[in-house]
Amino acid sequence: QITLKESGPTLVKPTQTLTLTCTFSGFSLSTSGVGVGWIRQPPGKALEWLALIYWDDDKRYSPSLKSRLTITKDTSKNQVVLTMTNMDPVDTATYYCAHHDYGDYVFDYWGQGTLVTVSS
Amino acid sequence: QSALTQPASVSGSPGQSITISCTGTSSDVGSYNLVSWYQQHPGKAPKLMIYEGSKRPSGVSNRFSGSKSGNTASLTISGLQAEDEADYYCCSYAGSSTTWVFGGGTKLTVL
Repeated sequence: QITLKESGPTLVKPTQTLTLTCTFSGFSLSTSGVGVGWIRQPPGKALEWLALIYWDDDKRYSPSLKSRLTITKDTSKNQVVLTMTNMDPVDTATYYCAHHDYGDYVFDYWGQGTLVTVSS
Repeated sequence: QSALTQPASVSGSPGQSITISCTGTSSDVGSYNLVSWYQQHPGKAPKLMIYEGSKRPSGVSNRFSGSKSGNTASLTISGLQAEDEADYYCCSYAGSSTTWVFGGGTKLTVL
């Protein structure tokens, strides 16, 4: 059974750096064909893909946010960490992590999400 | 502005069928048969309903089906049920540079 859970601060100040952790179970990020991605959703708005890391440490980023994002993995801890620099109120959103199946090119299992508010 | 265009809302009565469109470009939907569809109930995480354009994950009702024509993908829900009322999002692979793009979402109302 695959499960994922996001954790991190619920409130960050403008210009600060956000660090979110995705802790998962039911799969290993050392297994070929596996990835973990991050997707966010501002309140009342659409989903937006942010970043993805593969089992082989290949990393992909949204072109519009690439300069602000870093994704890393700790295979031994079953964790993926996303950092986003220079946070702004427009970055207020629910942040989801999701299991990615490389073969089917799909985010098939999602965490419950964590709401991050950016405000001074 | 989302990369993929979906109607803001659709509605239907119980038992009817509805179709939600997802229009992209030749760089995403048109180039790859890698569109997925997600159902999202209020306050919940998205749930995968369709992947690779028309495949259903285990456990998803066969009332849900997907298709594609040119730069437009579609999700059809037949035999509408009250529990289908939710937001639906399409997502497409867009190549190694852009990678993944989502639609703006469609609110389905079951009348």
